[in-house]
Amino acid sequence: KAGVTQTPRYLIKTRGQQVTLSCSPISGHRSVSWYQQTPGQGLQFLFEYFSETQRNKGNFPGRFSGRQFSNSRSEMNVSTLELGDSALYLCASSLDRGTSTGELFFGEGSRLTVL
Amino acid sequence: GDSVTQMEGPVTLSEEAFLTINCTYTATGYPSLFWYVQYPGEGLQLLLKATKADDKGSNKGFEATYRKETTSFHLEKGSVQVSDSAVYFCALSDRNNAGNMLTFGGGTRLMVKP
Repeated sequence: KAGVTQTPRYLIKTRGQQVTLSCSPISGHRSVSWYQQTPGQGLQFLFEYFSETQRNKGNFPGRFSGRQFSNSRSEMNVSTLELGDSALYLCASSLDRGTSTGELFFGEGSRLTVL
Repeated sequence: GDSVTQMEGPVTLSEEAFLTINCTYTATGYPSLFWYVQYPGEGLQLLLKATKADDKGSNKGFEATYRKETTSFHLEKGSVQVSDSAVYFCALSDRNNAGNMLTFGGGTRLMVKP
């Protein structure tokens, strides 16, 4: 069974640009979450999508957005990049059973460097 | 809001030593608790979980007991191996939340020397 796939794995952008990251969940998983991982702030929740609807949202500015498609694949977008957006962005999928189980399956991440 | 605090690393041990990584939490509700592990260059993997007080989660020789009275979920292993070298994250989720949002601790890096 294929795991969570994230693309691209590495990318370099400059300040002011925008970036789109993609995530393909495990087959049958309808919940997709995104986390930002940095050495200083650790793992921070960005948002969660379920059945194409944003179900939860973390405390990030509006420059961070996401969406989910009918096949459960998800994308996140960061506009007007800042140096502080340099991070590992992790996507996680879950077999949602209606209540929080916390059993997330993570991809290897997309490492974004902003110059 | 909810928060998780775990001991700062790195923790350096010799092979076959006993491991404890402390984790305490603050939650408004009645959370489920988790330990996730991140090996170098990889995403996080669920190591073990506990969903109610006094539950013990266990996997691969690791154990953690949900202690509601001390709001703790300490990770233990009796004999570590070099292959256990990784970053360990304690996390909680609010079971009243209709979703899968996790609150993570800062992570503890474990280094095991042969």
